[in-house]
Amino acid sequence: DTEVTQTPKHLVMGMTNKKSLKCEQHMGHRAMYWYKQKAKKPPELMFVYSYEKLSINESVPSRFSPECPNSSLLNLHLHALQPEDSALYLCASSPQNRDRAYEQYFGPGTRLTVT
Amino acid sequence: AQKVTQAQTEISVVEKEDVTLDCVYETRDTTYYLFWYKQPPSGELVFLIRRNSFDEQNEISGRYSWNFQKSTSSFNFTITASQVVDSAVYFCALKRPDSGYSTLTFGKGTMLLVSP
Repeated sequence: DTEVTQTPKHLVMGMTNKKSLKCEQHMGHRAMYWYKQKAKKPPELMFVYSYEKLSINESVPSRFSPECPNSSLLNLHLHALQPEDSALYLCASSPQNRDRAYEQYFGPGTRLTVT
Repeated sequence: AQKVTQAQTEISVVEKEDVTLDCVYETRDTTYYLFWYKQPPSGELVFLIRRNSFDEQNEISGRYSWNFQKSTSSFNFTITASQVVDSAVYFCALKRPDSGYSTLTFGKGTMLLVSP
């Protein structure tokens, strides 16, 4: 099973709302990633979790708050977002090894609109 | 610093034509990893291939083939006899040299439109 699932598929939220994006994988991968992708642009890395600990934060504003409750789940909590945060949010996972690189498996994404 | 350049923003072909997507990379690492991903309109990035810098063999998988040339820092992707289902954005990517994570530096992508 090489599937990464994400919920919800679409989300519309106001600037004062609090919402969460969810990501799940059952491939035993110990590295998980959040990306943001604007239209006609490549994905931009936001966060990397390794063995359930936050390892990389690409200077993401604090209105985005990631959480990794266990090795299969990754959440992204959203609060007080701005309209410019509207984008496709992609989750990915990969095995982890210091000596080589592995491909990442991506979920289908959550298309977020902030009104 | 490393960089991935996909100079072709958009390519349009008619079904059954062959098409090559270009990728040029820059890195100071002697060992590095290159990737190609496909992103159809549905949004999910689909992994196509990983190539190590020490393995210069070209690869063929069905209608897809990849030409890795270290001398020109290129990793080009050819689709033979293109089909409408090949319509997507294709990203070339290079593993970032920042530890054991498979974090990627992406090119800007090439949108391929295959018409019937």
